[in-house]
Amino acid sequence: QVQLQESGPGLVKPSETLSLTCTVSGDSISSFYWSWIRQPAGKGLEWIGRLFNSATADYNPSLKGRVTMSVDMSKNQLSLNLTSVTAADTAVYYCARATSGWVHDYWGQGTLVTVSS
Amino acid sequence: DIQMTQSPSSVSASVGDRVTITCRASQAISTWLVWYQQKPGKAPKFLIYGASSLQSGVPSRFSGSGSGTDFTLTISSLQPEDFATYYCQQASSFPWTFGQGTKLEIK
Repeated sequence: QVQLQESGPGLVKPSETLSLTCTVSGDSISSFYWSWIRQPAGKGLEWIGRLFNSATADYNPSLKGRVTMSVDMSKNQLSLNLTSVTAADTAVYYCARATSGWVHDYWGQGTLVTVSS
Repeated sequence: DIQMTQSPSSVSASVGDRVTITCRASQAISTWLVWYQQKPGKAPKFLIYGASSLQSGVPSRFSGSGSGTDFTLTISSLQPEDFATYYCQQASSFPWTFGQGTKLEIK
């Protein structure tokens, strides 16, 4: 059974960097694409980007180059860094497995990140 | 970006009803479409991929159809556990985009 668990600070100050980790169990992180997706409270889903083996990354241009994703094969973890955050980045952040690169079949429970001073 | 528009934004229905949710893409996406179900406070759950292929374990009362720009998700006989918000997602071109969601409420 594949399980994903997001972790990281729940509060980030404006202009700082949001850093999250997703720990994957039950599967090898090297075998699949992995996405980050976020959801502001009461709103819809926004795809942030996807990554395969740290070699292939596709990001949402709406984030204007502020996002970087990486994987740590030794820990079976993926990471998300989002720089220069503002209140608009406040959301629940999900990691998800992207089977065949596009079908998000397994999701973490999500972690709420609030951007506030 | 490809814009995904769902209709209706919300719908009230009763247990046993048949419900259809529509998702329209701003440009043709073939069948690069996925449907998800989300309950309050939970992560989305994957239901259908390729517009019409049911994920293993998803009840057969769920079905999807469409290609190009117009897609539908149908629940043939609503069960209490089906009341949730439903999202479509396109994967034809980057960035992947989601519909705004359709909230299915109990009448």
